[in-house]
Amino acid sequence: GAGVSQSPSNKVTEKGKDVELRCDPISGHTALYWYRQSLGQGLEFLIYFQGNSAPDKSGLPSDRFSAERTGGSVSTLTIQRTQQEDSAVYLCASSHRPLAGANNEQFFGPGTRLTVL
Amino acid sequence: EDQVTQSPEALRLQEGESSSLNCSYTVSGLRGLFWYRQDPGKGPEFLFTLYSAGEEKEKERLKATLTKKESFLHITAPKPEDSATYLCAVQARVDSSYKLIFGSGTRLLVRP
Repeated sequence: GAGVSQSPSNKVTEKGKDVELRCDPISGHTALYWYRQSLGQGLEFLIYFQGNSAPDKSGLPSDRFSAERTGGSVSTLTIQRTQQEDSAVYLCASSHRPLAGANNEQFFGPGTRLTVL
Repeated sequence: EDQVTQSPEALRLQEGESSSLNCSYTVSGLRGLFWYRQDPGKGPEFLFTLYSAGEEKEKERLKATLTKKESFLHITAPKPEDSATYLCAVQARVDSSYKLIFGSGTRLLVRP
């Protein structure tokens, strides 16, 4: 079956521009997560959606970052006024069960590589 | 502070040379520990979930074990195709919510 998909796969933008990153989770997965991975680093949690609501936004690094999820499916991560330090791979994951439960393995998309010049 | 530490940062093995990767953690309210494999340019691929000390899981040449303080990923007779970065993550309760806290990974290179 189809896995998690993300678009675009690569995005190059100029400092100060806004960008939108898209995530299509696995069909039927109620939980959706965004992470950021800088070169050679582990994954940094950004935000968690359960359905359309975001019970945990604590990982968003600044108010330039926002995310929404509509119809319990597709999610968009928006970065406004991008800065060079925003350059990273942005990964999306989904899971069948909520984060608080068991058997809630997260399945990841291929990521969007964002480069801010 | 909740923390996940993986060691070594990098490991080079000859094909067939068995070894172990370590993931140590200091978290309160551990709910589960996950192992992922990540190939260059790709997202992490789920391998195992462990929930309680003493639990073990196996998949092909990989075997994951869990104690109250750490987890090991044992690789038996590795092949070049096992080369990847292996990530450990801990599901922990933080305040009133749960989080998945990742280590920085072990880069494994298996030479033929």
